[in-house]
This record gives sequence, C-alpha cells and structure tokens, in this order.
Amino acid sequence: KAGVTQTPRYLIKTRGQQVTLSCSPISGHRSVSWYQQTPGQGLQFLFEYFSETQRNKGNFPGRFSGRQFSNSRSEMNVSTLELGDSALYLCASSLDALGTEAFFGQGTRLTVV
Amino acid sequence: DQQVKQNSPSLSVQEGRISILNCDYTNSMFDYFLWYKKYPAEGPTFLISISSIKDKNEDGRFTVFLNKSAKHLSLHIVPSQPGDSAVYFCAASANTGNQFYFGTGTSLTVIP
Repeated sequence: KAGVTQTPRYLIKTRGQQVTLSCSPISGHRSVSWYQQTPGQGLQFLFEYFSETQRNKGNFPGRFSGRQFSNSRSEMNVSTLELGDSALYLCASSLDALGTEAFFGQGTRLTVV
Repeated sequence: DQQVKQNSPSLSVQEGRISILNCDYTNSMFDYFLWYKKYPAEGPTFLISISSIKDKNEDGRFTVFLNKSAKHLSLHIVPSQPGDSAVYFCAASANTGNQFYFGTGTSLTVIP
C-alpha cells in the first residue's frame, strides 16, 4: 500500500510570507503528526491530529498551525516566515493513538530567504 | 530540554562487526521506545521498537535492549553491513498519543 505522501518536496519562500504543507497518511491511518528537523537538532514535535482533532502540541509559536480533514489528510501552515523556519518538515502517520509506531513521509524541505 | 539524548554524534565500525548505538532518556513516564534509520533527504524509516515491559526485542540483525533503571537503551546491529550506514534516531513516547521525543541522532558509518 502507498506510504506517507508529502507535498511539495521542496519549497523556497521569502521572509514574511506564509506557507502550507500537505500530508496524506497511509490509507486507514487516523493520526498525523508533524515534526521539524533542523541541523544539529533531532526531530522536534510540532503537533498531532487524530480524527480531525489536535491532541498534542509541541513548544512552537502560534505561527505554526495545522488541521486535519475528514479523509485524514493534514495540512500544516506557517505564517510570517522567519529565516529560522528553514528546515525539513516531516509528517508521520499512525494507525491509532497508542504511541507505538509512526511511519514518516519523505519530508518537505523549506528554505526561507 | 532534551528528554532523549544520543551522546555519540558518530560511530564507525568495520563491516561484519557489531554496531552499538546508545540512547539515554530522562522522563520516567516514557513507556515505548523506537529506533529509526534515516538517509539524507529522506524521512526516517522505522527499524525496531520495544515496550517498557520488556528488556529486549530482536528482529533479524537488529536487537534493542532496554535498561529502565538506568533509563538507557541501545541498538545492536550484528553483523554490520555497508548499507547500514545512515543516521540512527531513538525516540520515546509516554502513552499520551503519538507525540514522540527524538534524540539528535548518531551517524553510523560501516567501513567495507
């Protein structure tokens, strides 16, 4: 079956703009989580959605937001982009909400100039 | 505050030998632990996991050991192969949903 699909793969934006990233989870999976990876840092948890509800949120400013649709697809939005937002954004798909496994997409590489 | 730590940024091992990657955590509420492998420009790939009720889990060449009293886990790869060269991340969750805490990764190089 198809894996986790993230679009676009690469994105270049200028400071102050906003951006929307998309994630389609594995078919049947109801949980989608988002992570930010920057050089020297591990993966930092942004938020998790399960059945269209945000269940957990990491320590990121309110410029970072997300949503999940009824078909489990999720979008992440970052407003008023800053240079420090340049990172690899990863989406993870989980079947349930038990915290036992997560399957990652290939990520969206965002560069803010 | 980094709740999951991988103190060795890199590791080099000869092909055929054992690779041991280490991970420490601080949160005693963590009850599930995972290892992921990551190549550049790709997302992490799930390798193996372990529940806190176990102290060992094996899958082929990969074995994960958990020492709850020391808050330490390790991943053993035997025998190591050049294709194992990648960055390895350990992750933990606290049964509060799919919020995983990741270490900063260890870059493994297996030398042919």
